[in-house]
Amino acid sequence: EADIYQTPRYLVIGTGKKITLECSQTMGHDKMYWYQQDPGMELHLIHYSYGVNSTEKGDLSSESTVSRIRTEHFPLTLESARPSHTSQYLCASSAPGQGVRGYTFGSGTRLTVV
Amino acid sequence: QQQVKQSPQSLIVQKGGIPIINCAYENTAFDYFPWYQQFPGKGPALLIAIRPDVSEKKEGRFTISFNKSAKQFSLHIMDSQPGDSATYFCAASMGDNYGQNFVFGPGTRLSVLP
Repeated sequence: EADIYQTPRYLVIGTGKKITLECSQTMGHDKMYWYQQDPGMELHLIHYSYGVNSTEKGDLSSESTVSRIRTEHFPLTLESARPSHTSQYLCASSAPGQGVRGYTFGSGTRLTVV
Repeated sequence: QQQVKQSPQSLIVQKGGIPIINCAYENTAFDYFPWYQQFPGKGPALLIAIRPDVSEKKEGRFTISFNKSAKQFSLHIMDSQPGDSATYFCAASMGDNYGQNFVFGPGTRLSVLP
């Protein structure tokens, strides 16, 4: 069972609204990520963080911003939502470790901007 | 050089068949190759992974075959079941994944017919 939680699961919001997608993990992982997933499946990295007070832009340009004030919390904010922001947003975390390396993903937030 | 190519984009097999999903990479610095499985409404979950020092790894009905010289790896699902219907992503990373992000393939949507 994944210990990474995303809220809300679904969100329908009007154009121009400010929204924050929440992501929290209880595993103590330092590194966290936000991915945008197309309806056609492909995963696009939009933001990541190495730890508290660290934020980096990913491979796909995004109008969203992130913050990392606490290790367990990595929220994503859209200041002014537009229909082009309609997508699924996946949060993930990882930690340096031995053996199997991998990301733990949350269940995602499906955002629809009308 | 950071790309991971994946094929086919979609795949339909009958129950009991052996679907094969192929991935290819260019960067020889990649040293860890995981596969993720994603069910509708869920985030991707780590399924199985391989390092380039072995040519094959099996976990239950899932097998990764790795061809280092060809820079290719593939996922085979033995005795496939309708419950295996999901989207599968291959990925690659180098070094300690703490420092390097995973590079994901574009995904393969698998349907296993009863």
